[in-house]
Amino acid sequence: DIQMTQSQSSLSASVGDRVTITCQASQSIGMYLNWYQQKPGKAPKILIYAASSLQTGVPTRFSGSGSGTDFTLTISSLQPEDFATYFCQQTYNTPRTFGQGTRVEIK
Amino acid sequence: QVQLQESGPGLVKPSGTLSLTCAVSGGSISSTKWWSWVRQPPGKGLEWIGEIYHSGRTNYNPSLKSRVTISVDKSKNEFSLKLSSVTAADTALYYCAREGSSSTNLSYYYAMDVWGQGTTVTVSS
Repeated sequence: DIQMTQSQSSLSASVGDRVTITCQASQSIGMYLNWYQQKPGKAPKILIYAASSLQTGVPTRFSGSGSGTDFTLTISSLQPEDFATYFCQQTYNTPRTFGQGTRVEIK
Repeated sequence: QVQLQESGPGLVKPSGTLSLTCAVSGGSISSTKWWSWVRQPPGKGLEWIGEIYHSGRTNYNPSLKSRVTISVDKSKNEFSLKLSSVTAADTALYYCAREGSSSTNLSYYYAMDVWGQGTTVTVSS
């Protein structure tokens, strides 16, 4: 299985901050990397697919980058509604695997 | 727009079989999508269980493969999960999801773009 590692289990930030969340794959996965946002009691929501493509309807303050083994999700200016947990996921092969999540908390 | 709704018992006895169904509305299960199950133990991350195509083709997580069966009922526009020999470790919030694809630079990329609200299953006597 491909292991996905999010090195930050949590981070604290303020509204308006630029936030960067990282994800590393245990082997090269090209651009087969997705980012999801999950709020408490809710299902995950797709934000970014194919490493850098913004899902329709997702605010442009979210962006993704990277390829191969190292990926980044950036929130350019954190908004109150962005406090949530973010997961990366590889779809290079099955089994699909997720990172353990990065919780973005209010500073 | 497509919506998914999980249903099934919220309590299963140890060594029993967990059975859940995901009803698909607003679209056909026979579309060119994969239909997935994902679970999330309390306070933990996401674990992919497996997926099915409308043809009946399946892919399972090897860690669960010996206990998992995913099936599709096209007449009812739904798909189902069965997990046998459950233990407390199978207690989780279970989600069904649609895995769609997008073409970029001649490659197809997959993502779970529609999710059910999730259903909690507790394994306890």
